Amino acid sequence: QVQLVQSGSELRKPGASVKVSCKASGYTFISFAMHWVRQAPGQGLEWMGWINTNTGNPTYAQGFTGRFVFSLDTSVNTAYLQISSLKAEDTAVYYCARAMGAITRLDYWGQGTLVTVSS
Amino acid sequence: DIQLTQSPSFLSASVGDRVTITCRASQGISSYLAWYQQKPGKAPKLLIYAASTLQSGVPSRFSGSGSGTEFTLTISSLQPEDFATYYCQQVNSYPFTFGPGTKVDIK
Repeated sequence: QVQLVQSGSELRKPGASVKVSCKASGYTFISFAMHWVRQAPGQGLEWMGWINTNTGNPTYAQGFTGRFVFSLDTSVNTAYLQISSLKAEDTAVYYCARAMGAITRLDYWGQGTLVTVSS
Repeated sequence: DIQLTQSPSFLSASVGDRVTITCRASQGISSYLAWYQQKPGKAPKLLIYAASTLQSGVPSRFSGSGSGTEFTLTISSLQPEDFATYYCQQVNSYPFTFGPGTKVDIK
């Protein structure tokens, strides 16, 4: 069965970096794009962008350029989200989600990774 | 960017009620809309895609309709497990924005 398993919660100080992993199983990893979604505490969902798992080409939403990097390791079927120069406002749950279809839909989601930025 | 609004923001309903949530887009998005359900502390779950196609495994009491700029999610008979927050998402053009959400609570 399809599963996306994300790495555990992280606590970082402002200015530090963090790398969140999303390990896929149960399907052919490079056949489906991977999207990233952020949810700040008590807030709604915010689409961050996606990465083409076949080519490695990322697309970032405005507001997620510069400090946010999507990457892959296809040898272990894993997608990564790295955030640098962390700020308090980056505190959120970050989700990876598999995308499929000519009309995109996010059909499988990771369990989410809480990143807390606090001094 | 395409903006999505949802109404109502909050809805109080009873088991067995028929519930309708509306999602409006700031410009036409054809049928490029999905609906998700999220329960507290859990990842979102896909309910409907392409505006009206029921995702496999989702109960038939959920249905979606609409095209262009106005869309609806209907729950024909609300069940206890349906109390959650519902989000629409447009996938017509980048960024693939989400609506602000509609929380469905127990009356």
